[in-house]
Amino acid sequence: NAGVTQTPKFRILKIGQSMTLQCTQDMNHNYMYWYRQDPGMGLKLIYYSVGAGITDKGEVPNGYNVSRSTTEDFPLRLELAAPSQTSVYFCASSYSMGAKGSPLHFGNGTRLTVT
Amino acid sequence: GESVGLHLPTLSVQEGDNSIINCAYSNSASDYFIWYKQESGKGPQFIIDIRSNMDKRQGQRVTVLLNKTVKHLSLQIAATQPGDSAVYFCAEKTNTGNQFYFGTGTSLTVIP
Repeated sequence: NAGVTQTPKFRILKIGQSMTLQCTQDMNHNYMYWYRQDPGMGLKLIYYSVGAGITDKGEVPNGYNVSRSTTEDFPLRLELAAPSQTSVYFCASSYSMGAKGSPLHFGNGTRLTVT
Repeated sequence: GESVGLHLPTLSVQEGDNSIINCAYSNSASDYFIWYKQESGKGPQFIIDIRSNMDKRQGQRVTVLLNKTVKHLSLQIAATQPGDSAVYFCAEKTNTGNQFYFGTGTSLTVIP
């Protein structure tokens, strides 16, 4: 299994540009998450999905959009990039949540710079 | 809101010594806790987890202790090695929640 794969690894955007961060997992996990990590900070949840066709906002959703058309893929869309969106973005997936939660499996991140 | 924090933002230990990394949480409804290790340029990597019906769990060279009374979690690393140098995060969730909440992390440096 490749686990959670994120592309691209690095990207530089100009203010106002848009882009999609790709995330795919091959573990057949229903639960998928997007986090951002700013320097010296913990992980902040942007959006998550509990299954195909279902998405929900996390702590910091403004400026982002997601879709979940398949179990495997959970792309994150930035429509009008702003310098405040400069960060490292991590995608994660999990087998289960609720009362029998299981660990999150993370990708290696996308480092995004907006100038 | 949720609050998961760490007492020490940085920790330096000599190679071969034991390391202890602490974490405080504020939600008494949290019942599942995980420690993650993050090396530079990589995503967080699962180390060990513990549920609230336990107060101690051991893995290979690592032990997690949970004190629900004071809402405190710790990670003990035995015989710390240079490869253990990384940032360590604790994460928590409730039994009904679909989200984990992460602390800010502790940077562990192992001195050869």
